[in-house]
Amino acid sequence: SQQGEEDPQALSIQEGENATMNCSYKTSINNLQWYRQNSGRGLVHLILIRSNEREKHSGRLRVTLDTSKKSSSLLITASRAADTASYFCAILGDGNKLVFGAGTILRVKS
Amino acid sequence: NAGVTQTPKFRVLKTGQSMTLLCAQDMNHEYMYWYRQDPGMGLRLIHYSVGEGTTAKGEVPDGYNVSRLKKQNFLLGLESAAPSQTSVYFCASSYSNLAQPQHFGDGTRLSIL
Repeated sequence: SQQGEEDPQALSIQEGENATMNCSYKTSINNLQWYRQNSGRGLVHLILIRSNEREKHSGRLRVTLDTSKKSSSLLITASRAADTASYFCAILGDGNKLVFGAGTILRVKS
Repeated sequence: NAGVTQTPKFRVLKTGQSMTLLCAQDMNHEYMYWYRQDPGMGLRLIHYSVGEGTTAKGEVPDGYNVSRLKKQNFLLGLESAAPSQTSVYFCASSYSNLAQPQHFGDGTRLSIL
């Protein structure tokens, strides 16, 4: 299956701490994307990392990709209560369709 | 700057009824998608369109039909609703190809009784 599997399923941290979410997959990929979903809303694109890239940054977000281990991680530094959301990785593989994982629920306590 | 707009936001149907979910985007995107989201699962692709007048099947197309008569609109139809189609439906669009980031609407919450 191309589907990414996020780990952990849920994460609860204090405001100011860092949050790390992981995504593992089983096939080769063209790119891997991370999305955020606030409760009751649609998904919002965060970062896209291509298969030939190893790390990308966007503000407080850092995404890494290890194609040898078929895994990616999303790091949110200095978390805020507003970061409370579900985070999804999505895999674009050889089938040329974006396949979403089941997500990690992040709760940031203030 | 609306982005992707879905109507209606909520709907309750009885088994066997039909309905159409509407999706409109104002970003001049070529590609549009319909997904369903169920608890504990990621989004699953129902149908998609790579341009006006074209549609293609996704991962879970059975029980659904779509039409893309205008570039900015993508319609999802349920001809005979079943309880298994109770879900949250999301429409998305992307600029020119499947590799690019997708922009999502806020969803339609559909319950089939």
